[in-house]
Amino acid sequence: KQEVTQIPAALSVPEGENLVLNCSFTDSAIYNLQWFRQDPGKGLTSLLLIQSSQREQTSGRLNASLDKSSGRSTLYIAASQPGDSATYLCAVRIMNSGGYQKVTFGTGTKLQVIP
Amino acid sequence: NAGVTQTPKFQVLKTGQSMTLQCAQDMNHNSMYWYRQDPGMGLRLIYYSASEGTTDKGEVPNGYNVSRLNKREFSLRLESAAPSQTSVYFCASGRDSHLYGYTFGSGTRLTVV
Repeated sequence: KQEVTQIPAALSVPEGENLVLNCSFTDSAIYNLQWFRQDPGKGLTSLLLIQSSQREQTSGRLNASLDKSSGRSTLYIAASQPGDSATYLCAVRIMNSGGYQKVTFGTGTKLQVIP
Repeated sequence: NAGVTQTPKFQVLKTGQSMTLQCAQDMNHNSMYWYRQDPGMGLRLIYYSASEGTTDKGEVPNGYNVSRLNKREFSLRLESAAPSQTSVYFCASGRDSHLYGYTFGSGTRLTVV
């Protein structure tokens, strides 16, 4: 069974700091990994999608890396801003025994950027 | 704006009452999903629909039923609500190919008293 872990569960940093969020998964036979952002009381907004054949994806101040063999992904946020405060979730997509492409989510890292 | 629309946004039910959560997407996606999100447990899959006319159970299907009304709409029904079903419910849709990710709705916050 695929398990996805995000550590730490919460993180508080001063504005302007560069930071790294971690995501680890137990089964390396994944199709892709997706990072989401969730603001309080809101839905999930997709940030970056990395295919299993890729090593990293970049969007603005965000960079996500994937090391499938070690079961790890990181989300790097450069020059953090108070507006980056949110919960960040990672999700991995695999093929399960029923032929369905199953997605398993981590429990998230709650980020607070202090002005 | 294109996306996934969920209704209602908030709902309070008494134990034993029934209700249907509605979800519609306008991105022509084949696959649709219902998740629940609880503190400390992440998102758990309730039911999914790989295509119009098909539905399958996810991790936590007990107490729920679903209907894939057409390609756009996927509803979740609670026949007899229980306090354990207090949660935030998210609908999502996606293309069949793993080359694409999921798109989520904004959620329905349900409280069962």
